[in-house]
Amino acid sequence: SQELEQSPQSLIVQEGKNLTINCTSSKTLYGLYWYKQKYGEGLIFLMMLQKGGEEKSHEKITAKLDEKKQQSSLHITASQPSHAGIYLCGAGNQFYFGTGTSLTVIP
Amino acid sequence: DSGVTQTPKHLITATGQRVTLRCSPRSGDLSVYWYQQSLDQGLQFLIQYYNGEERAKGNILERFSAQQFPDLHSELNLSSLELGDSALYFCASSELAGNGELFFGEGSRLTVL
Repeated sequence: SQELEQSPQSLIVQEGKNLTINCTSSKTLYGLYWYKQKYGEGLIFLMMLQKGGEEKSHEKITAKLDEKKQQSSLHITASQPSHAGIYLCGAGNQFYFGTGTSLTVIP
Repeated sequence: DSGVTQTPKHLITATGQRVTLRCSPRSGDLSVYWYQQSLDQGLQFLIQYYNGEERAKGNILERFSAQQFPDLHSELNLSSLELGDSALYFCASSELAGNGELFFGEGSRLTVL
């Protein structure tokens, strides 16, 4: 099996601040997915990274994959209340998901 | 709206009972995944079906079973329910069997009393 550890577990930031969420894998990453979940709702796909060094951006969210470090990071620039939720990373054909990072953005 | 429909949204039942959760995948998607999400275990993969055939199995208990029908909808059967089975059960679908974006339903919240 593959374990994905996310850090931090929770994050509270002031609106407008930048933040980074990390996802570290116990095994080599051959692909990494980022999803966002609003409390009690389904997950929404954000991005998929497939190659080492790959970086993707969507609006104010940027994700990078570092295969050597078996790690991915999700960076949000100028956070907004709409970014609040739980962010989860997934790998291994999406059979494995991280523990989640709960983000609160204070207006 | 992801296009994935799960019913029922909420279910309250007693220990020892059996329930069936239903999932209709997004139109055109052949692959269906089932997950269990609880506070202490996080999001756990249970099972995947592709075009009616079981594709992969995760941490699914023997008391649980699933199937995908010819019309591609899927059902997850949970029997001999225990308090610890209380969780949010998600269904997700994708076009392909392997890598690709998953479209998640809103989930079925099961409470076992």
